Amino acid sequence: DTEVTQTPKHLVMGMTNKKSLKCEQHMGHRAMYWYKQKAKKPPELMFVYSYEKLSINESVPSRFSPECPNSSLLNLHLHALQPEDSALYLCASSQSTGSSYEQYFGPGTRLTVT
Amino acid sequence: GESVGLHLPTLSVQEGDNSIINCAYSNSASDYFIWYKQESGKGPQFIIDIRSNMDKRQGQRVTVLLNKTVKHLSLQIAATQPGDSAVYFCAEKRTGNTPLVFGKGTRLSVIA
Repeated sequence: DTEVTQTPKHLVMGMTNKKSLKCEQHMGHRAMYWYKQKAKKPPELMFVYSYEKLSINESVPSRFSPECPNSSLLNLHLHALQPEDSALYLCASSQSTGSSYEQYFGPGTRLTVT
Repeated sequence: GESVGLHLPTLSVQEGDNSIINCAYSNSASDYFIWYKQESGKGPQFIIDIRSNMDKRQGQRVTVLLNKTVKHLSLQIAATQPGDSAVYFCAEKRTGNTPLVFGKGTRLSVIA
């Protein structure tokens, strides 16, 4: 099973809402990643978790709050977002951060902030 | 709403022809280079990678060439098919526990 799943597929939220994105993998990978992707642009790294600990935060605003409850799950909690945060949010995983060249991506959550 | 996005380089190829997608990189310390394919509405999908100590690697219908002298990477797709239409990203991994750095992407359109 080389699948990374993400829910929901689409999400529309107002600027005062609180919502969460979920990501799951069952490949035994110990590194998990959140990326943000705007139209016609490459994925932009937001966070990296290694062995359930946050190892990289690419200066992401605090309205995005990641959480790794266990080695298979990764959440992204959203609060007080802005319309410019509308994007495709991608989750990925790899065996470890040392093998980040072999990352598996999920299908993404298409987020629209109104 | 969102402003008009950055123009994505586009390559249009006739079905059955070979495609060559190019990528320039800047960091000599990168030890892996990877090509991803992203179809509309999907996440990036791994195609092929190459270690920095190699200059060529072949997969099924795809070949990656690495020229470290000019810091250039290319992806060749043989007998391009409509299903190859997608955006292709190159990515590099620098030495150590470092994340991937993605290039800008090229849109490949296959004309039937």
